[in-house]
Amino acid sequence: GAVVSQHPSWVICKSGTSVKIECRSLDFQATTMFWYRQFPKQSLMLMATSNEGSKATYEQGVEKDKFLINHASLTLSTLTVTSAHPEDSSFYICSARFTRGLGNQPQHFGDGTRLSIL
Amino acid sequence: GQNIDQPTEMTATEGAIVQINCTYQTSGFNGLFWYQQHAGEAPTFLSYNVLDGLEEKGRFSSFLSRSKGYSYLLLKELQMKDSASYLCAVKDSNYQLIWGAGTKLIIKP
Repeated sequence: GAVVSQHPSWVICKSGTSVKIECRSLDFQATTMFWYRQFPKQSLMLMATSNEGSKATYEQGVEKDKFLINHASLTLSTLTVTSAHPEDSSFYICSARFTRGLGNQPQHFGDGTRLSIL
Repeated sequence: GQNIDQPTEMTATEGAIVQINCTYQTSGFNGLFWYQQHAGEAPTFLSYNVLDGLEEKGRFSSFLSRSKGYSYLLLKELQMKDSASYLCAVKDSNYQLIWGAGTKLIIKP
């Protein structure tokens, strides 16, 4: 099946640090990638959708200057949490989908990144 | 507004059968997905329904009724490893995924 690799799996860093999370589709071309965050015992919250080669579309309430998304190739998207603070601590999950037009392929998820800001 | 409802938590016995229901109200419909998520892990894809009826995949089956805005996930021969959260998600007219809050399934021996 489709494999999505997400790194790092766990990050602990000081407040004010910028953290970059990578999401790679290993065996398919991901024309669309999604970034989610999930707080404990809550459902997934979509942060942004990125299509290869174009700017990401952010959900309402998500600061685009704080959560920088780059989707430069069909196999790699990155999320950079700039000047992270304790309230940014969360479980960040990427997913990828191969989409030609508006197909209904499922999203395949990375293993997630647990971010803890001290 | 768009809304997906699932029970918050369910408990079942090992070896038994459990049905997790999902009702939805969305602007348009372009398919319904079920995902399994173990604690501390990312979701994994289980099933996809776009037409009415039952889709069977091993111990798991998923049913859809578009006229009723209703789906269920049926798990047979429950195993302890099936303890997880089960997320229902609907793709709306804009092909955006709307996620339910998930149903935490607890399996007891």
